[in-house]
Amino acid sequence: NAGVMQNPRHLVRRRGQEARLRCSPMKGHSHVYWYRQLPEEGLKFMVYLQKENIIDESGMPKERFSAEFPKEGPSILRIQQVVRGDSAAYFCASSQGQSAAEQYFGPGTRLTVT
Amino acid sequence: GQQVMQIPQYQHVQEGEDFTTYCNSSTTLSNIQWYKQRPGGHPVFLIQLVKSGEVKKQKRLTFQFGEAKKNSSLHITATQTTDVGTYFCALGGSNYKLTFGKGTLLTVNP
Repeated sequence: NAGVMQNPRHLVRRRGQEARLRCSPMKGHSHVYWYRQLPEEGLKFMVYLQKENIIDESGMPKERFSAEFPKEGPSILRIQQVVRGDSAAYFCASSQGQSAAEQYFGPGTRLTVT
Repeated sequence: GQQVMQIPQYQHVQEGEDFTTYCNSSTTLSNIQWYKQRPGGHPVFLIQLVKSGEVKKQKRLTFQFGEAKKNSSLHITATQTTDVGTYFCALGGSNYKLTFGKGTLLTVNP
């Protein structure tokens, strides 16, 4: 399967814990985008990364959230000290080049904070 | 930033009826994309519209881009139960950032 992979698919965390979401882009893709979807809402852009670089993190909350895309391995979206409001579906998308037209989405991670 | 309004928020139809969802923007758009998300699933790209007045068809789906490039519509003819899901429009204004509408949830009664 050469699609975008995300894990875990479902994640339950208690308030105050850390959540780590992983995304492996499609083969040959070096651009990764993270989006968040609240219940009954559209997807909201969070961050755009290329290998080892954060290009645009304008959609990401300044506190508790961080993202990386190391030279080796998947992209990681990290949420520290989670709160109930962080409960959402987090989708990763990847593209071969920098493009809004050719983004392929992964299956998402559903985060529930109890 | 760019914003888009999508209506209706919900639409329930009998199988065989038609369905239309609309997206409207206050600014001129360079392009617009449409996605479908099944319940519990992820967004799947359907189509991109770029030209003013463009009309594209995919089997029972018809996509239109307004002449002024400020609005777009997706029309499904003779809905089937497999059409169930949320349909999103998305603006690809910048080089990489997609701005999604809130979506229209379509349910189909068999």
